[in-house]
Amino acid sequence: DVKVTQSSRYLVKRTGEKVFLECVQDMDHENMFWYRQDPGLGLRLIYFSYDVKMKEKGDIPEGYSVSREKKERFSLILESASTNQTSMYLCASSLDIDRERLNWAYNEQFFGPGTRLTVL
Amino acid sequence: QKEVEQNSGPLSVPEGAIASLNCTYSDRGSQSFFWYRQYSGKSPELIMFIYSNGDKEDGRFTAQLNKASQYVSLLIRDSQPSDSATYLCAARPYSMIYNQGGKLIFGQGTELSVKP
Repeated sequence: DVKVTQSSRYLVKRTGEKVFLECVQDMDHENMFWYRQDPGLGLRLIYFSYDVKMKEKGDIPEGYSVSREKKERFSLILESASTNQTSMYLCASSLDIDRERLNWAYNEQFFGPGTRLTVL
Repeated sequence: QKEVEQNSGPLSVPEGAIASLNCTYSDRGSQSFFWYRQYSGKSPELIMFIYSNGDKEDGRFTAQLNKASQYVSLLIRDSQPSDSATYLCAARPYSMIYNQGGKLIFGQGTELSVKP
């Protein structure tokens, strides 16, 4: 089974702190993603990465940065946490190419359990 | 902006009935479509995906795709209270770069409530 783990289920930080959210997957997936999920706004993509040291901005990258030094690990960094970054953060991963069908279109994203971050 | 739209609900159905969840998408070139279920306080988990026009069945679940109408649906037969959750529809957009990191465009989700 694919396993995506996140470093914390619940996190409370203060405004202005630097916050690190860690995500690790154990299935050798090329692609990794960070989302935030807020009531009424659905899942919003913050950043994604399709290879080690590669990153692409998603829909809402402002106030965030990411790091991918190893294939299995993708970190989300809040440089200076603010109250409007209070949210549920979800990490996901997926294969580049479906290794049986040799097709990229069918690859699902597997989600971690999420980190509920509260910034006071 | 390439969008996926769903009615937020809540959709309420009695136990044993058929629940019908609908999704429309704006990118005509979208390649494949995914239905995720998300229980309250949990992360999304895949129910099924579909990429060809028509129906795809898996147990009590049937996904339907109509690319001409840009419409995807999920039917849940013999609904159970344990099916009560938010259902997310996602589309994989077409890209000249074959992968573009495997992005999915998610709808906001439909909340389903199955009453005993």
